[in-house]
Amino acid sequence: EAQVTQNPRYLITVTGKKLTVTCSQNMNHEYMSWYRQDPGLGLRQIYYSMNVEVTDKGDVPEGYKVSRKEKRNFPLILESPSPNQTSLYFCASSPGTGGYEQYFGPGTRLTVT
Amino acid sequence: QKEVEQNSGPLSVPEGAIASLNCTYSDRGSQSFFWYRQYSGKSPELIMFIYSNGDKEDGRFTAQLNKASQYVSLLIRDSQPSDSATYLCAAHLNTDKLIFGTGTRLQVFP
Repeated sequence: EAQVTQNPRYLITVTGKKLTVTCSQNMNHEYMSWYRQDPGLGLRQIYYSMNVEVTDKGDVPEGYKVSRKEKRNFPLILESPSPNQTSLYFCASSPGTGGYEQYFGPGTRLTVT
Repeated sequence: QKEVEQNSGPLSVPEGAIASLNCTYSDRGSQSFFWYRQYSGKSPELIMFIYSNGDKEDGRFTAQLNKASQYVSLLIRDSQPSDSATYLCAAHLNTDKLIFGTGTRLQVFP
């Protein structure tokens, strides 16, 4: 089944404790992206990657890191999480840019206390 | 001005009616537009995309695009309670980004 998977689905952590949220897709998509979704603010892009070893900042990259060492994986790293990073996170993939639809993972609900 | 704007709603319609969801965008260079449906706590799910001016129909859904007015809409015919969700409009600007509106909450009551 073609899908985007994320792990973990739920995470409660404390301020400053490094964490990684994994994202993997099995559709051989070039483009992958991370979003956060907050009430009233909608989906905001954190980082995106157009191919292996190619990443770029989205609209809200502060406090996040990403890497794209393999085409299928695009982990999101929070080196020192803070409470304002409490949010619902989605990974998405797409065959390319320039008008292709994006397919979303199931989401990761992160709470930082 | 936000790049993609939607009325947050809620838009309440009776079962069987037509629900009309609207979206405006600021970048005249935007080329492609998407409608996603999102149930509470779930991930966005693609409903339709449209690239050309005019209407595009898929089952009970019709997307309408008017590039001159920078306006996209989604019509849902014969609305069902299961259509109750938040509908996200998204536009591909002349960049590598897909910009989302904040969504319109639709409530279909029996």
